[in-house]
Amino acid sequence: DADVTQTPRNRITKTGKRIMLECSQTKGHDRMYWYRQDPGLGLRLIYYSFDVKDINKGEISDGYSVSRQAQAKFSLSLESAIPNQTALYFCATSDLGSGEGNEQFFGPGTRLTVL
Amino acid sequence: AQTVTQSQPEMSVQEAETVTLSCTYDTSESDYYLFWYKQPPSRQMILVIRQEAYKQQNATENRFSVNFQKAAKSFSLKISDSQLGDAAMYFCAYRSGGMEGAQKLVFGQGTRLTINP
Repeated sequence: DADVTQTPRNRITKTGKRIMLECSQTKGHDRMYWYRQDPGLGLRLIYYSFDVKDINKGEISDGYSVSRQAQAKFSLSLESAIPNQTALYFCATSDLGSGEGNEQFFGPGTRLTVL
Repeated sequence: AQTVTQSQPEMSVQEAETVTLSCTYDTSESDYYLFWYKQPPSRQMILVIRQEAYKQQNATENRFSVNFQKAAKSFSLKISDSQLGDAAMYFCAYRSGGMEGAQKLVFGQGTRLTINP
């Protein structure tokens, strides 16, 4: 089974709808991240969390909110979706406490289309 | 703030040949890490190679190697003996160093690599 999972994998929604993207991990990592990928712009950080009680804004947090329900779960919400939020969304994890501390592990991505 | 620039939106190479993807970055920090990620059509982000800024020796991973020029803030990826499976989008990424750093990755715009049979 994949270490970092995202649901849904693909989603089409309409302008104004509320939508939640979910991320779960079995790696036991403390740190989780949400990125957005747009053509020609690479990946940009939306929010990140060091642990359940810690949430931080990234480069492009406007229009988004997050919830860290547990160490293993980190959800991204669009309260009122708009077409320019159409993008590929990635969740990632990392952990300072292990030898993998330098690497972020990515989920498979969620393709979101807002009509 | 740190920035990463990939000036080649697209590159192509003949199968079995060598190709180099360019990346430059801007930072005032001395402790940091650099990465190359591969994104095939499956969308999965796959770490190809990493370089610690304090290491002078260029990192290598099988057919993949980097040319890390710290003073020039350049970090290019060389793929030798290109294979059809190397076709993908490649992203260069920067991460601040230090154990207490946020470990946020700053990505370049990406280079789409095509392998011609």
